[in-house]
Amino acid sequence: DAMVIQNPRYQVTQFGKPVTLSCSQTLNHNVMYWYQQKSSQAPKLLFHYYDKDFNNEADTPDNFQSRRPNTSFCFLDIRSPGLGDAAMYLCATSRDRGQETQYFGPGTRLLVL
Amino acid sequence: EDKVVQSPLSLVVHEGDTVTLNCSYEVTNFRSLLWYKQEKKAPTFLFMLTSSGIEKKSGRLSSILDKKELFSILNITATQTGDSAVYLCAVYSGNTPLVFGKGTRLSVIA
Repeated sequence: DAMVIQNPRYQVTQFGKPVTLSCSQTLNHNVMYWYQQKSSQAPKLLFHYYDKDFNNEADTPDNFQSRRPNTSFCFLDIRSPGLGDAAMYLCATSRDRGQETQYFGPGTRLLVL
Repeated sequence: EDKVVQSPLSLVVHEGDTVTLNCSYEVTNFRSLLWYKQEKKAPTFLFMLTSSGIEKKSGRLSSILDKKELFSILNITATQTGDSAVYLCAVYSGNTPLVFGKGTRLSVIA
């Protein structure tokens, strides 16, 4: 089945220790998104890729970076995680720009100790 | 700034009840409104609404959009415990991919 896959599902890291979350998709969608969702809050868009074109949200901290080496994969790098970065990180895809229906992966829950 | 407000924030009902969830929005260049269901993991897509007054229906769930009054409702009839989830409303304006509300947490008790 075509899907959006995120690994790992749970990630524990130490304060300040870099961490990478991964997302892959078999939908062959052009657009991939990373959201941060904290408890009882709406998903907050961090950035998205339209093909190789990277689009950063204005209020996304510099601590968060992303890479998309090919159509199928997208990575979220947190260079120096703080306690406030503990959250659920959701990856989503859409077929193309202007295709607002997004398909979400299961999420990675990040815990920072 | 684009804004999506959902109400109520949480709701507890008994199985068999009918519930109505609300979503109001203020966005520039509105294009569509989407409803998602989020259980313990990722949101799953329910409906996309673009036109006023046209009801979208899927089983016991239905939704309608009012573009004049800038809101949408999601109805769930004959609720079941499996309907317990957070229901997210999101609006697409074409400027940013999606703007989400905070969600309504629905708990259905037997």
